[in-house]
Amino acid sequence: DVKVTQSSRYLVKRTGEKVFLECVQDMDHENMFWYRQDPGLGLRLIYFSYDVKMKEKGDIPEGYSVSREKKERFSLILESASTNQTSMYLCASTQLGAGGAQETQYFGPGTRLLVL
Amino acid sequence: QKEVEQDPGPLSVPEGAIVSLNCTYSNSAFQYFMWYRQYSRKGPELLMYTYSSGNKEDGRFTAQVDKSSKYISLFIRDSQPSDSATYLCAMMEYGNKLVFGAGTILRVKS
Repeated sequence: DVKVTQSSRYLVKRTGEKVFLECVQDMDHENMFWYRQDPGLGLRLIYFSYDVKMKEKGDIPEGYSVSREKKERFSLILESASTNQTSMYLCASTQLGAGGAQETQYFGPGTRLLVL
Repeated sequence: QKEVEQDPGPLSVPEGAIVSLNCTYSNSAFQYFMWYRQYSRKGPELLMYTYSSGNKEDGRFTAQVDKSSKYISLFIRDSQPSDSATYLCAMMEYGNKLVFGAGTILRVKS
């Protein structure tokens, strides 16, 4: 079974702090994603990566950055946390399917971040 | 207007009922359609995957896609309390990223 793990289930940080969220997958997937999930808004894509050292902006990249130094690991960085970044953060990975289509995304358990 | 619309619920049904969950979308280029189930305090997990139009059945679950109406459905037969969760529809164009609905909260009462 694919396993996607996230470094923390719950985090409490103060405004202005730098926050690191780590995600690791064990299935050699090429693609990795960071989403945030908020009530009524569903999942919104922050950043994604198709390969090591490659990153692409998603729909809401402002205030975030990412790092992918190894294939299995994808980190989300909040440079200076703000209260509007309080949310559930979900990491996902997927392998390119036949024909290059991105298919099943496997999600981690999520990190609930509270910024005070 | 959102690309994918999904009623957030909550939808409450008695055990054994047939549940119908739905999403509408505006992008006619979507080809891949998925339903994810998310239990409280967990990440979403894939429930059903359909390519293009038609029906797909897996046990008590049936996914239906009507591309002409830009409408997808998930039916759950003989619903159980363990089906209580948030159900997210998701869809994508070939080679593009997934777009999610906001999710529908389902509560099945015993």
